[in-house]
Amino acid sequence: NAGVTQTPKFRVLKTGQSMTLLCAQDMNHEYMYWYRQDPGMGLRLIHYSVGEGTTAKGEVPDGYNVSRLKKQNFLLGLESAAPSQTSVYFCASSYLQQNYEQYFGPGTRLTVT
Amino acid sequence: SQQGEEDPQALSIQEGENATMNCSYKTSINNLQWYRQNSGRGLVHLILIRSNEREKHSGRLRVTLDTSKKSSSLLITASRAADTASYFCATDAEGAQKLVFGQGTRLTINP
Repeated sequence: NAGVTQTPKFRVLKTGQSMTLLCAQDMNHEYMYWYRQDPGMGLRLIHYSVGEGTTAKGEVPDGYNVSRLKKQNFLLGLESAAPSQTSVYFCASSYLQQNYEQYFGPGTRLTVT
Repeated sequence: SQQGEEDPQALSIQEGENATMNCSYKTSINNLQWYRQNSGRGLVHLILIRSNEREKHSGRLRVTLDTSKKSSSLLITASRAADTASYFCATDAEGAQKLVFGQGTRLTINP
């Protein structure tokens, strides 16, 4: 099993450009999450999904959109990138509900210039 | 606002010594989890302790939970160079549908 995978691993965007980060999991997990990690700030939840076709806002959702069309995939979109979105983005998934352990992907390092 | 906060922010010890990290949180929880993050990698789950448990062990890891003080500690015994990483606690506010992570403790094990 590959676990949780993320593409791409690195990306540089110019301000105003758009992009989509893809997260895929092969563990048949119901819950999926997108976090961002900034120096000295731990992980902050952007959006999450409790099942196929559902999405919900986390702590810092502004400037991001998500979709969960298939159970195994969770997409994070940036419609108009800003320098404040420079960060490392992590996807995670968990079985049944959020109170179980979360499995993390390797991260995507995004720089917006 | 931050639910879980780790202390200390950074810890440097010699190989073979024990390392203790603390986590404090603000609201009632169902469980508390500890994760490890090696440099440049994603987080890896270490241990989960439920609100009705006081202590849990996993190999060289010992986690305690004191719900009256809203605090938890992670003890790593007989530390190794490979334990060098950042350690995060994560809590679920009771009734909430998400985990909230602390800012982490950066642990360095010196050979």
